[in-house]
Order: sequence, then structure tokens, then C-alpha cells
Amino acid sequence: GQNIDQPTEMTATEGAIVQINCTYQTSGFNGLFWYQQHAGEAPTFLSYNVLDGLEEKGRFSSFLSRSKGYSYLLLKELQMKDSASYLCAVRDGDYKLSFGAGTTVTVRA
Amino acid sequence: GAVVSQHPSRVICKSGTSVKIECRSLDFQATTMFWYRQFPKQSLMLMATSNEGSKATYEQGVEKDKFLINHASLTLSTLTVTSAHPEDSSFYICSARDLAAYEQYFGPGTRLTVT
Repeated sequence: GQNIDQPTEMTATEGAIVQINCTYQTSGFNGLFWYQQHAGEAPTFLSYNVLDGLEEKGRFSSFLSRSKGYSYLLLKELQMKDSASYLCAVRDGDYKLSFGAGTTVTVRA
Repeated sequence: GAVVSQHPSRVICKSGTSVKIECRSLDFQATTMFWYRQFPKQSLMLMATSNEGSKATYEQGVEKDKFLINHASLTLSTLTVTSAHPEDSSFYICSARDLAAYEQYFGPGTRLTVT
């Protein structure tokens, strides 16, 4: 099975940077995903890492270290609309996703 | 990007009745679809994996006779909640795997309320 840990809540100021950490222990690894989810809506894809290193997509970046079982999502130039829950998910060899509990990010003016 | 639709988006039903939720991949073929359930302020929990033309694989603790899954075509999977009870009230989300890409695409979700 998968054991995925991420902080419950984070608060940051508009324009700032926030880093959301995710650690995992898995019985099989076939990629790590980050999703954004607003209340009452389905998750939307943000990033995907399968090899070690940093993937950058605009204001969002994601990092993976497979040997450490560690990933982070970096949100730059925070905007009010970035207030949401951010989900770390690990995919196994059967392409099943296991989700962390999610990190609620609150952006304040 | 690929689009996955779900219908209905919201449904209210009486206890003891059955509800069917449809999940469609609109612009790609999905041999595998996944069904998740999410309770308020909790993360997504995988219920079952739906494979086209074969029986679904259910996660531990999920009753296969209560949550019937059918994946009759490469673009449609259905989840039927049978004999619904108030504790089945939840947000049900499907996702579809695009063989041509690495992503799973999520549907918009179905809010089920059982009264």
C-alpha cells in the first residue's frame, strides 16, 4: 500500500512563495502527481514527476527525489485564486493513484 | 486537454433506492477508469478500478454488490449505488486513463445525497 503525508494547512500572503512538502512510502512507484482542488469541485492536474528533479510549469514547480520518497510543490507569486486544497498522489504499477489527505492553502491579501 | 464528463452532477435520492452515475471520456478511449469517493474535508479514496470488457477490481472494504460498476465501452463506465443509505452520501469522482498520455483525467464529480 501507500503511505502519503503532507501538511494539513498552510497560509501565505499574496505575491509570496509557498512550498508544500509530500513524503511517501510505497509498495510500487510509477509517478507522483500534484492536483489542485477547490471546494466542491474535482481535482485538476498540476504536475507530474517520474524522474528525480524539478519540473517547472509557469508559477508552479514540482520536485521529486525517489531515493528519499520526497516531493514538493512550489507555488510562486501567489494569487488569491490559488487558495485551494493541494493533493499529492502516488501512482503504483497498476496505474492506481493513492492520495494524501491534502494541504489547504489560504492566500491572504 | 482530455475531457471526462459525469452525469448527473448532483442527485438526491431516498433511502433504499438505487442511483446510477455515468462517466464518459469525450475525446479519447479509456480502457481503464477509476471510481473515487470523497467525504467532506477528506481526500479521495479509490473505490474500484473499471476495465473495459471485464469485471471491476474493488478496493478492500468496498462492497461490490452495493457499488455495481459496468464498463461496457471504451468511453463509458457506470457506477450504480444500490439500496442507498444516508451514509452513502458523498462526492463520487471518476477518472479515466489516456493510454496515449501519462495523465489521469478527472470528471467533475457527482454529489450524492441520500435522504
